[in-house]
Amino acid sequence: EVQLVESGGDLVQPGGSLRLSCAASGFTFSTYWMSWVRQAPGKGLEWVANIKEDESEKYYVDSVKGRFTISRDNAKNSLYLQMNSLRAEDTAVYYCVRGHRTSWFYFDYWGQGTLVTVSS
Amino acid sequence: SYELTQPPSVSVSPGQTARISCSGDALPKQYAYWFQQKPGQAPVLVIYKDTERPSGIPERFSGSSSGTAVTLTISGVQAEDEADYYCQSADNSGAYGVFGGGTKLTVL
Repeated sequence: EVQLVESGGDLVQPGGSLRLSCAASGFTFSTYWMSWVRQAPGKGLEWVANIKEDESEKYYVDSVKGRFTISRDNAKNSLYLQMNSLRAEDTAVYYCVRGHRTSWFYFDYWGQGTLVTVSS
Repeated sequence: SYELTQPPSVSVSPGQTARISCSGDALPKQYAYWFQQKPGQAPVLVIYKDTERPSGIPERFSGSSSGTAVTLTISGVQAEDEADYYCQSADNSGAYGVFGGGTKLTVL
């Protein structure tokens, strides 16, 4: 059974940093693209970043470029999101998402999400 | 940046047909996906690659595509279908993901 379990969400002050983790199980993690998707309270879904199986390609939504870094450790079956210079508008539930073999943006499995709150 | 456009809301009576549209310039090139999201829950995929239905999704859910628009159709809407629906795809380069703004389906 495919499982994605996020952790690391917390209350952080504006300008602060946070690192999210996603533990993957039930599939060969090293052979799939992965993404982070977020959802601000009461708002819609927003794709944040993606990463290729071997980390050779990474892409970000404009609003987080230069502040967020996506990475992975295939030996630990884990996906990460390092978030720096956090802003109030980064407040959201962050989902770890797997991309299907046939297309990285065919999001076939989602975690339950972890809440990041940016506030003083 | 690339955008997908959905109507904010759609309302139908039980048993009727609901149609939710999604438009975007790259849709002729990139597949679209549809998600259902109920309050407090993670999104659930209901349509993939424009028209395909995942196993476990009721047959009343279907998808279609025409040019720069895709449509999610729910035939014989049931009360349990009340939820937010999001279309999703990628830009022309295929590198960047995008979601529509979401459509709230209300079952009257």
